Amino acid sequence: GAGVSQSPSNKVTEKGKDVELRCDPISGHTALYWYRQRLGQGLEFLIYFQGNSAPDKSGLPSDRFSAERTGESVSTLTIQRTQQEDSAVYLCASSFTGGSSGANVLTFGAGSRLTVL
Amino acid sequence: RKEVEQDPGPFNVPEGATVAFNCTYSNSASQSFFWYRQDCRKEPKLLMSVYSSGNEDGRFTAQLNRASQYISLLIRDSKLSDSATYLCVVNGGGKLIFGQGTELSVKP
Repeated sequence: GAGVSQSPSNKVTEKGKDVELRCDPISGHTALYWYRQRLGQGLEFLIYFQGNSAPDKSGLPSDRFSAERTGESVSTLTIQRTQQEDSAVYLCASSFTGGSSGANVLTFGAGSRLTVL
Repeated sequence: RKEVEQDPGPFNVPEGATVAFNCTYSNSASQSFFWYRQDCRKEPKLLMSVYSSGNEDGRFTAQLNRASQYISLLIRDSKLSDSATYLCVVNGGGKLIFGQGTELSVKP
């Protein structure tokens, strides 16, 4: 597609339920990022995929959070046993990498707004 | 210490003012630097990349000081439409890390 697509755009869930968020990056983009943004806060790095390398999971806040990516395509972020503090906008971004102009420039999706009641 | 730190803001300035934002980063091996803009309830969008020699794009000028691990953004002749949050972004060990952002409000 022309841009980064995220779904669902809004999700309301009950505390303790699992949720799955999906990201479709721009075709050809080898890098994919997940960030979390709480209301009025900055972007908090969660996880980074680069091609077929092992993902950088250093930003995942707890073992309730996990993410997968199939090759250089779709990624899913899963939050198990959701807590109220998980309420936030989850932003996905993709980029191409390398030495050329425009590398490492992130294009963001519109985000998935998660509300945990 | 946070990996990327920015001026706390908010900055409230009149139209036509010049305003400067600062950003410091902790990873001396960082190679790529950017400024993004985020409008309220929207996703961030690239404003400009920051090059070692400094670069200008219209009313916007970005500077990089590697020795001090410091990045700046200067906005001249500010417009009402410049009101947004400005995010400093640094490539730290492969991943792109965002600062907390500085909010700018330009008033008539």
